Amino acid sequence: QKEVEQDPGPLSVPEGAIVSLNCTYSNSAFQYFMWYRQYSRKGPELLMYTYSSGNKEDGRFTAQVDKSSKYISLFIRDSQPSDSATYLCAMSFSSASKIIFGSGTRLSIRP
Amino acid sequence: SAVISQKPSRDICQRGTSLTIQCQVDSQVTMMFWYRQQPGQSLTLIATANQGSEATYESGFVIDKFPISRPNLTFSTLTVSNMSPEDSSIYLCSVEDTKGGSGGTEAFFGQGTRLTVV
Repeated sequence: QKEVEQDPGPLSVPEGAIVSLNCTYSNSAFQYFMWYRQYSRKGPELLMYTYSSGNKEDGRFTAQVDKSSKYISLFIRDSQPSDSATYLCAMSFSSASKIIFGSGTRLSIRP
Repeated sequence: SAVISQKPSRDICQRGTSLTIQCQVDSQVTMMFWYRQQPGQSLTLIATANQGSEATYESGFVIDKFPISRPNLTFSTLTVSNMSPEDSSIYLCSVEDTKGGSGGTEAFFGQGTRLTVV
């Protein structure tokens, strides 16, 4: 079993839709949870970061962590064509430990 | 934040040859990381490069295949040696900013090197 599982997609939704991206993980010791966005031919960039359980909101983006279910989500409201990218979940045990990445979900927002 | 320049951005290479990828950071960093990103696969850490010491390789990766240099605090190279088509992938250089406590760690990446081995 992989440490971090993420549906690779591709996921295609119309502009304005709410997008839900998800990851599951197997190790309950993970404490730091991140979402990276990667545009084509670019390196990943940190989008959202959450420590332990709970929700975090930043503009149109909301990150949720449910440690009891070992499940994390990223919601995108009012999706825009510029949100089309690959989204990678990532997590680590501590602030200094190795970051474990999911395989990424390719998202396409149709105008 | 850190700005990372990586080159080449892409290359097509013959099997059996080697390719050296360069990574330049705009600030001094202790550790630099090299990742491989294969289609549909997770971003996989190859090795951690510390200035002044041997690189630390992850399970499944060896120095003979992926030699790394780290001559100073702003530069590193990764060589993919004796390439085969299975080495076709995106290779990414990364540095991390550890904020401490609940601040976590943010990874910064170069734009990647897209390698195709024919």
